[in-house]
Amino acid sequence: KNEVEQSPQNLTAQEGEFITINCSYSVGISALHWLQQHPGGGIVSLFMLSSGKKKHGRLIATINIQEKHSSLHITASHPRDSAVYICAVPNSGGGADGLTFGKGTHLIIQP
Amino acid sequence: DTGVSQDPRHKITKRGQNVTFRCDPISEHNRLYWYRQTLGQGPEFLTYFQNEAQLEKSRLLSDRFSAERPKGSFSTLEIQRTEQGDSAMYLCASRASGRSDEQFFGPGTRLTVL
Repeated sequence: KNEVEQSPQNLTAQEGEFITINCSYSVGISALHWLQQHPGGGIVSLFMLSSGKKKHGRLIATINIQEKHSSLHITASHPRDSAVYICAVPNSGGGADGLTFGKGTHLIIQP
Repeated sequence: DTGVSQDPRHKITKRGQNVTFRCDPISEHNRLYWYRQTLGQGPEFLTYFQNEAQLEKSRLLSDRFSAERPKGSFSTLEIQRTEQGDSAMYLCASRASGRSDEQFFGPGTRLTVL
């Protein structure tokens, strides 16, 4: 069964700062997910990646398959980026089964 | 709105009562997942279906929990004889087989057991 470690657990930064959230996992995977959760519970998928790097607006996700490590970066952070960011990987590495989640990083961006 | 709906959004019940939650996935998605999230933690996998077949169950799913997907469309999750430790957000997600691994999450049902 895959295990996921995320860091930091809490992060407070000033508007405009460059943000990095890290995720490590234990079992080789087909793809890694970055998710965003706002107060109230709704989860939105930000990225799903199996290699290299993806960019969407001010968000960038990278993955190193050999190191079993991924990072989520936010450039020019804004208070509306405040949310919980969660890394998730397939339970046993394959794509068909459920996900194992990190505990999440609670991000607060202060104006 | 991801296209996955859950009902009810909130449920308050007394210990010992039975509760049932419903999830309606995106219509063409044949895989459906249930997760549970307690306060301050990431979600935890409970079970998943491919069409109407329940293919995997977590050890977290005690015998008080049962999930069904009778016609391969909507799914229900029932908890019998609820305990205070069952208080959590219950999340449903769906995805299409043969496509990308992306799962689409519903808004969740928040259960409070008094």
